[in-house]
Amino acid sequence: GIQVEQSPPDLILQEGANSTLRCNFSDSVNNLQWFHQNPWGQLINLFYIPSGTKQNGRLSATTVATERYSLLYISSSQTTDSGVYFCAGTYKYIFGTGTRLKVLA
Amino acid sequence: DVKVTQSSRYLVKRTGEKVFLECVQDMDHENMFWYRQDPGLGLRLIYFSYDVKMKEKGDIPEGYSVSREKKERFSLILESASTNQTSMYLCASSLLTSGRAILYEQYFGPGTRLTVT
Repeated sequence: GIQVEQSPPDLILQEGANSTLRCNFSDSVNNLQWFHQNPWGQLINLFYIPSGTKQNGRLSATTVATERYSLLYISSSQTTDSGVYFCAGTYKYIFGTGTRLKVLA
Repeated sequence: DVKVTQSSRYLVKRTGEKVFLECVQDMDHENMFWYRQDPGLGLRLIYFSYDVKMKEKGDIPEGYSVSREKKERFSLILESASTNQTSMYLCASSLLTSGRAILYEQYFGPGTRLTVT
């Protein structure tokens, strides 16, 4: 089946720093989504982005479907950005194992 | 706003008990999903349903069954709970367009943390 790899697995940043999270798929995907899981376990939708680029405030995402990867950019990070970031794709929504982000004040 | 609710946030059951986890969505979504989440393993799909009374196995269906009698409700059943089913269970729903290859965003409930002792 399709494999989803996320990198880096862990990331520690100082508040105000920028970061890029990556999601690679082993095969083509027909939909792709980024989520943020907060400390209480709730998964929050960030982007539905099967292709192209989208921006929402300090966050933006780019998917290059032909090369089977997606990137999530976080600019001017804040402590509230801490948590785990997941990407997921295909009609069964196969998830990566996540990037655990900690932003230090 | 889409709302997905789960019957319990925390649940403690004994080994061998039959356990029902309920999920309800209020947006008339065709697709509904059950995942479990364990440390280091991410989210793994147990079952999903693309219509009433329709279901497909995910990656880890063993030890679980599901029921979808109404469009808005999707139940996960542990016929005989075991300690290795202690986990966080997450329900999700999404809209389906034409065929199973084209979907919209997936929305998650708050999760049920199940402990089997």
